[in-house]
Parts: sequence; structure tokens; C-alpha cells
Amino acid sequence: EPEVTQTPSHQVTQMGQEVILRCVPISNHLYFYWYRQILGQKVEFLVSFYNNEISEKSEIFDDQFSVERPDGSNFTLKIRSTKLEDSAMYFCASRGLAGPGELFFGEGSRLTVL
Amino acid sequence: AQSVTQPDIHITVSEGASLELRCNYSYGATPYLFWYVQSPGQGLQLLLKYFSGDTLVQGIKGFEAEFKRSQSSFNLRKPSVHWSDAAEYFCAVGASAGNMLTFGGGTRLMVKP
Repeated sequence: EPEVTQTPSHQVTQMGQEVILRCVPISNHLYFYWYRQILGQKVEFLVSFYNNEISEKSEIFDDQFSVERPDGSNFTLKIRSTKLEDSAMYFCASRGLAGPGELFFGEGSRLTVL
Repeated sequence: AQSVTQPDIHITVSEGASLELRCNYSYGATPYLFWYVQSPGQGLQLLLKYFSGDTLVQGIKGFEAEFKRSQSSFNLRKPSVHWSDAAEYFCAVGASAGNMLTFGGGTRLMVKP
């Protein structure tokens, strides 16, 4: 069964460092998303991406965040200068045209900022 | 703005017992509603979804959910819980066809032998 894969599964970084989280969405999907879950809190929407541009973003997704689809398969989330409060589980998701709302999630990348 | 409330943070049931997890949403129009499950160390897996039509929807693993517009609810049910159902369950609402889901806080289900 096709799946969304994310790397790394866990990353520890120092405050102020740049972090790139990588995702390989399901191959025929066209809509891509990043969500995050701070420990003990809700899963929160960050950004959606379609046709090589951001289609929607939340207030969390400020100038420190960026997304990119550098090639035909990867979808990345970059945090330019990490803060302690960026520590969270980051989930990538994708969906195809045929399934409105049916997001397929990866297993997440846990980011710990020290 | 849309919102989702899952009133129960933790629920413990005995294996074989029935289960109902509550979800209440707030949204002005007809919502798109979802239940996801997250097992430890795993991603979010879709259990079922409601877009329109029959208000009782069937999902995977023997789960079902009923959309009640009058109560703004979308409760998840299972007639007989298995130990493997122990996980965290998230209700979510979407305002449009696929973009931006708003999640509830989750309900952690524990299953007693």
C-alpha cells in the first residue's frame, strides 16, 4: 500500500539552527500538507501546497518557515532559525484529486530544539 | 472559525465492551468530518469520513460514526473493542474539499484485558 514517508524520524538541534524536514508523498498525489503537534496539544495545520505554490497557511507558518518541492518526489519543510517552541512532531500529508479531504499522513518527524 | 471538541481526554474500556468517543464541532455550513487514529509511534490513519448523504458512516476496523447535525456531533462507535484498538483518536473537521483540517484534542483509549 502506498504511503507517505518522512525523514528524519527524530532530529535534535540547537536553538537558532536551520532544520529541513523531508517528506515523500504518495506518488500520484497533488496536494501536500504540513501539520504539527506540540507534545500534549492538538494537531495543528501549518501549510498546504498545490501546483508548486502555497495554497493556504496558518498564522503559525511565519517567515521562519518555508516549503519546497525541489524535485518530483520530495516535499520539504524548512525552519530557518529554530526556537524552543518549535519542538514538536511534524506530520506531512498528501492527497490525490479523487479523495477530497482524505489526507494520508506520514509517521511524523520529531523535532527537539535545545 | 471552525473548531472541534473531544470532551474525553482518556477513556478506558474492557476488551469486548462497546465504545463511543464523542466529538462536537463548530462550523457554519455543512462540514466535512473525519476520524483519525494514531497508534504509538505511528502516523495518523483515517478511520472514516463524512461528506454528505447517509449520516451513519462505516469505516475500517469495525468502526462507525454518526453525523447529527442538530447536535453538531460526529461520535465514533465500535460494538466490541479489541486490545489492538488502544490508541489515540482524533476527530477533525474540514471547511472545504481537503484543505486545512482542524483537529480536536484527541481521546486516548486504553483497553483492559
